[in-house]
Amino acid sequence: QSALTQPASVSGSPGQSITISCTGTSSDVGSYNYVSWYQQHPGKAPKLMIYDVGKRPSGVSDRFSGSKSGNTASLTISGLQAQDEADYYCSSYTISSTWVFGGGTKLTVL
Amino acid sequence: QVQLQESGPGLVKPSETLSLTCTVSGGSISGYYWGWIRQPPGKGLEWIGYVYYSGSTNYNPSLKSRVTISVDTSKNQLSLKMRSVTAADTAVYYCARVKYGSGSYPLDSWGQGALVTVSS
Repeated sequence: QSALTQPASVSGSPGQSITISCTGTSSDVGSYNYVSWYQQHPGKAPKLMIYDVGKRPSGVSDRFSGSKSGNTASLTISGLQAQDEADYYCSSYTISSTWVFGGGTKLTVL
Repeated sequence: QVQLQESGPGLVKPSETLSLTCTVSGGSISGYYWGWIRQPPGKGLEWIGYVYYSGSTNYNPSLKSRVTISVDTSKNQLSLKMRSVTAADTAVYYCARVKYGSGSYPLDSWGQGALVTVSS
């Protein structure tokens, strides 16, 4: 199985909105609404931010939202804050009953 | 609040078996799926596999021939064994709990991670 495709980096200024894309295939992202997003700060374990494409776990800010169109899922962060600077990973269930991660995106808050 | 803690040797020789244990506290291992994920230094996350508390498993096809994941409900632990390791298996290994009731099988609680280096 191939990793999902994410941009290596994105950036934005405080208060702005940014979107991170996650492109898969009809064998994973395109087949199910089973996409998750994780935030990882340096030296820390990942944190679940979005699951089932657009659901937020309890305690996650509503500045984080998720969506999907075809084979591409997206994570949008609005009202960008300094603490949002981190690596972000998407993950999807596949038709082979396995899971696959994206390569990760480094978010820089300017 | 469930807590997870990975433990095991930090250094493994090439061709030998990597063995890690994840101890779950503050909650029961029963009723949940549990996962192992790894991250090579400076690189992205890689899904290794999931295990249900009953013992049923699901593995990454690229690692399936070398990996065994199991649970011990009496000790509230899960374990990972990876055979015939090479330098490419050097990574931080995380255990995590799967959030109940979601088809995404998202990982909502993570251990702090254990760095395993494969070197002679």
